Amino acid sequence: AQSVTQLGSHVSVSEGALVLLRCNYSSSVPPYLFWYVQYPNQGLQLLLKYTSAATLVKGINGFEAEFKKSETSFHLTKPSAHMSDAAEYFCAVSVSTGNQFYFGTGTSLTVIP
Amino acid sequence: DAGITQSPRHKVTETGTPVTLRCHQTENHRYMYWYRQDPGHGLRLIHYSYGVKDTDKGEVSDGYSVSRSKTEDFLLTLESATSSQTSVYFCATREHGVNNEQFFGPGTRLTVL
Repeated sequence: AQSVTQLGSHVSVSEGALVLLRCNYSSSVPPYLFWYVQYPNQGLQLLLKYTSAATLVKGINGFEAEFKKSETSFHLTKPSAHMSDAAEYFCAVSVSTGNQFYFGTGTSLTVIP
Repeated sequence: DAGITQSPRHKVTETGTPVTLRCHQTENHRYMYWYRQDPGHGLRLIHYSYGVKDTDKGEVSDGYSVSRSKTEDFLLTLESATSSQTSVYFCATREHGVNNEQFFGPGTRLTVL
């Protein structure tokens, strides 16, 4: 079975500081991993995805994530937080043997001016 | 962005009444999904469809049914709404292919009194 754990339901950073949102997955087969962002009262938008081509994945808005198989992690980072980054972030996993996505419980990012 | 619309966007109903939510897509994606989003739970899969008339249950399917008679439409029905079904409901679609991401609709906020 597949599952995703996001450590920290709330993260606060100062504007200009490093953003680090943690995601660990559990999968018995090679996973495909995704980060989504949700702004208030909106649906989810794809930030980036890992599909086994490269372990360091760059996404939109300056975000990137690194797939580390040995740590079963796919943490999301951004070097310098911007006020517009305040949102809810979700990590998700899917596998080639199924049609479902499995989402973490989300991390709410607050950016302090 | 994939063209995904949900209707209605907001609905207030009473306990015991049937409710149908509609998801419409213009992208001809094979897969369609219904999720509910609740604080502390992230997104939980209710039902999904892998083709016209082909559906399967997710982790929180009790009290919900779905139908897909056309590629573009996926209906979610609450047979007899309960207060525990008060939530925000999201539809998502995905193209066929193991590493393809899901695209999300704008959501429907349902309140059951």
